[in-house]
Amino acid sequence: EPEVTQTPSHQVTQMGQEVILRCVPISNHLYFYWYRQILGQKVEFLVSFYNNEISEKSEIFDDQFSVERPDGSNFTLKIRSTKLEDSAMYFCASLGQGTTGSYNEQFFGPGTRLTVL
Amino acid sequence: AQSVTQLDSHVSVSEGTPVLLRCNYSSSYSPSLFWYVQHPNKGLQLLLKYTSAATLVKGINGFEAEFKKSETSFHLTKPSAHMSDAAEYFCVVSDRPGNTGKLIFGQGTTLQVKP
Repeated sequence: EPEVTQTPSHQVTQMGQEVILRCVPISNHLYFYWYRQILGQKVEFLVSFYNNEISEKSEIFDDQFSVERPDGSNFTLKIRSTKLEDSAMYFCASLGQGTTGSYNEQFFGPGTRLTVL
Repeated sequence: AQSVTQLDSHVSVSEGTPVLLRCNYSSSYSPSLFWYVQHPNKGLQLLLKYTSAATLVKGINGFEAEFKKSETSFHLTKPSAHMSDAAEYFCVVSDRPGNTGKLIFGQGTTLQVKP
C-alpha cells in the first residue's frame, strides 16, 4: 500500500541553525500539508500546498518557515533559524482523489522529531 | 469555524471491557469527521472517517463511531478493549467542504488498557 515517508526520523540541531525536513507524499496526490505536535499538545496545522504554491498557512508559519516541492516528488519544510520552541514532531500529509473522485482522508507520514538545543 | 472537543483527556478501561471516547464537534456545514490513533513514538493512523454517508461508521481494529447531528457528537466505541489499543486518540474535523482544507485536531484522549 502506498505511504507517505519522512526523513530524517529524528533531527537534533542548535538554536539558530537551519533545518530541512523532507517528505515524499503518495505519488498521485496533489495536496500536501505540514502539521506539528509539540510534546504533550495537540496536532497543529502549519501549511497546505497545492499546484506549486501555498494555499493556506497558520499564524505559526512565519517568515522563518518555507515549503518547497523541488523535484515533483519531495515536499520539504525549511526552518531558517530554529528556536527552542520549534522543538516538536513534524508530520507531513498528502491527499488525493479516491476511486469515486472525491477527496477523503489525509495520509500522514511517521513524523520527524525535531529537537532544538 | 470548525472545531472539535474531546471530552476526556484520559480514559482507563480493563481489557475485554467496552471503550467509549467522546467527541463533540462544531461546524457551519455538514462536516467530515475522522478519528486518528497515535501509538507511542509512532505516526498518525486513520481509524475511521465520516464523510456524509452512513451515520454509523466502522473502522479498523473493531472500532466504530456514530455521527449524531442532533447531539453534534462523533463518539468512538469498541465493544472489547485489547491491550494493543492503548494509545492516543484524536477526533478531527476537516476545515471545509470537499476535504481539501486543513484538519483541525482535538486535544486527544489517552486510552489506558489495564490487564
